[in-house]
Amino acid sequence: DTGVSQDPRHKITKRGQNVTFRCDPISEHNRLYWYRQTLGQGPEFLTYFQNEAQLEKSRLLSDRFSAERPKGSFSTLEIQRTEQGDSAMYLCASSLDRQGIADTQYFGPGTRLTVL
Amino acid sequence: AQRVTQPEKLLSVFKGAPVELKCNYSYSGSPELFWYVQYSRQRLQLLLRHISRESIKGFTADLNKGETSFHLKKPFAQEEDSAMYYCALSGRAGKSTFGDGTTLTVKP
Repeated sequence: DTGVSQDPRHKITKRGQNVTFRCDPISEHNRLYWYRQTLGQGPEFLTYFQNEAQLEKSRLLSDRFSAERPKGSFSTLEIQRTEQGDSAMYLCASSLDRQGIADTQYFGPGTRLTVL
Repeated sequence: AQRVTQPEKLLSVFKGAPVELKCNYSYSGSPELFWYVQYSRQRLQLLLRHISRESIKGFTADLNKGETSFHLKKPFAQEEDSAMYYCALSGRAGKSTFGDGTTLTVKP
């Protein structure tokens, strides 16, 4: 296992288009997180999954954003009707949750989204 | 509400000098605290976590619940320590909050 992977690494789209990103976590990890990061800021929490269940979603996440993890393995993050303000680096991380104790998160390389 | 504050955006020290990166947090409970590091052109990775109480690459961090701080320290900085450092907090509900990071530059 080579770690967390994300696809694509870069995405350029026009305002109003839909985009979908994929994250493949470390295989035995049961938790998967999505973050957004803009220049000069730290990763901003968007949502996370425990296996296939989406347990928490940031209030900052508009209805245009949706995430899935259908079989508890890979996850997708979709942004509908993209806006220029959605331009950011989207990070995925995975971890192994044991008895509710937060464990180390392993990050992917990120997907850089540019909305023109 | 969870909050992590890293008051210094930039920190510059000379090689061999001590370095301290500050982190303050706000959380109504017992947090799990972490330091993550991002070297140039690499992905974000864990440096250390408070629960393991270990020293990684010469760095240590002590959780001070009274001052709600988790400052990162190293007695003698090396040039290879130059990177972006993020303090992070994980609450019981699983949500993680990161600070905005401190860019450390170690000059020769």
